[in-house]
Amino acid sequence: QKEVEQNSGPLSVPEGAIASLNCTYSDRVSQSFFWYRQYSGKSPELIMSIYSNGDKEDGRFTAQLNKASQYVSLLIRDSQPSDSATYLCAVYAGGTSYGKLTFGQGTILTVHP
Amino acid sequence: DAGITQSPRHKVTETGTPVTLRCHQTENHRYMYWYRQDPGHGLRLIHYSYGVKDTDKGEVSDGYSVSRSKTEDFLLTLESATSSQTSVYFCAILPGQGSNYGYTFGSGTRLTVV
Repeated sequence: QKEVEQNSGPLSVPEGAIASLNCTYSDRVSQSFFWYRQYSGKSPELIMSIYSNGDKEDGRFTAQLNKASQYVSLLIRDSQPSDSATYLCAVYAGGTSYGKLTFGQGTILTVHP
Repeated sequence: DAGITQSPRHKVTETGTPVTLRCHQTENHRYMYWYRQDPGHGLRLIHYSYGVKDTDKGEVSDGYSVSRSKTEDFLLTLESATSSQTSVYFCAILPGQGSNYGYTFGSGTRLTVV
């Protein structure tokens, strides 16, 4: 069983809509959660991190974490064509794992005008 | 800017040849990582380092070795390249103490084994 699963996509939304990206993880002791954005041919770029249950907002992005359900999501409000990219969910298990992150397979998001 | 560079950016090599990829950082971060990225698999950890001469295996380490003789350089070697190692390789660093910072990635190396 894969440790970090993302909704497979691709996900297509119209400009101005809310894009919802989902991620589940299997390790209950996971402590930190990250969302990366990756444009085609580029390296992943950190856009959000979340550590506590609830919502965390940064501009048009909101990360949501529910540790009881082992679920983390990313909402993108007022989606723009420039948001079209692959979004990667990453999880840090904590403890003595030397900062290692486990990544989901990514969700391709396309925002069409 | 975390100051992380990878070289080369692109490489084509023949099956059976050894290949070394370099990751260089300028800010003395302790933790460094090598990942490969393949369609449908996301990013998978190959090896990581938690200090000079301190390295360990990740989930897909077979056929790869690493070395870290200086804080700033983390080398990934494909001992005898195979077509299954055709991939995009990313180096990452963990800036700052603890896990709350997430990684900063290098620009990647696109490796093709023919």
